[in-house]
Amino acid sequence: QVQLVQSGAEVKKPGSSVKVSCKASGGTFSSFTINWVRQAPGQGLEWMGGIIPILGTPKYAQKFQGRVTMSADESTNTAFMEVSSLRSEDTAVYYCARSGTYYGHFDYWGQGTPVTVSS
Amino acid sequence: AIQLTQSPSSLSASVGDRVTITCRASQGISTALAWYQHKPGKAPKLLIYDASSLESGVPSRFSGSGSGTDFTLTISSLQPEDFSTYFCLQFNTDLTFGQGTKVETK
Repeated sequence: QVQLVQSGAEVKKPGSSVKVSCKASGGTFSSFTINWVRQAPGQGLEWMGGIIPILGTPKYAQKFQGRVTMSADESTNTAFMEVSSLRSEDTAVYYCARSGTYYGHFDYWGQGTPVTVSS
Repeated sequence: AIQLTQSPSSLSASVGDRVTITCRASQGISTALAWYQHKPGKAPKLLIYDASSLESGVPSRFSGSGSGTDFTLTISSLQPEDFSTYFCLQFNTDLTFGQGTKVETK
């Protein structure tokens, strides 16, 4: 059974950065897409982008290009997502989710990582 | 970017009711659509993929239909554990989500 376990909650100051991790177990890691999604309070879900670890090149949603960096470490089956220049609007729950096919639907999700940006 | 318009945003229903939620895409997406159930504080759960394929382990009271731009999630007989939020996801071009439908008890 595939499990995605994310790092814990974060509280950050505006202008700083946050890096969230997503560790996979129970299945093949490198050849599947790991996506990142966020949900701000009272808002819907937003796809931020994804990465296929064996390829290494991330794909970003246009809105997040330039401020978000996604990476993966095949040796530890862990994906990472870093958001820089944080602002209050980045306060959200961040999820990782696996696509069983190339940027397809998500079959497994992490538990979510709350990130609060506040001065 | 492809937009998904999900309706209604909320509905009230009783145990045993038939519930229908729709998702309309701003352009044709073939059958590249999935439906999820999302309970507070938990990871979303996949119900339907490729518009009409039932995910393994999901009760058969859940069904999906549609192709192109119009899609439907149906719960044939609502159960107590089905009171939740449901959302659609398109994966034809990049990925976008519907805004969600909250199913509440009447």
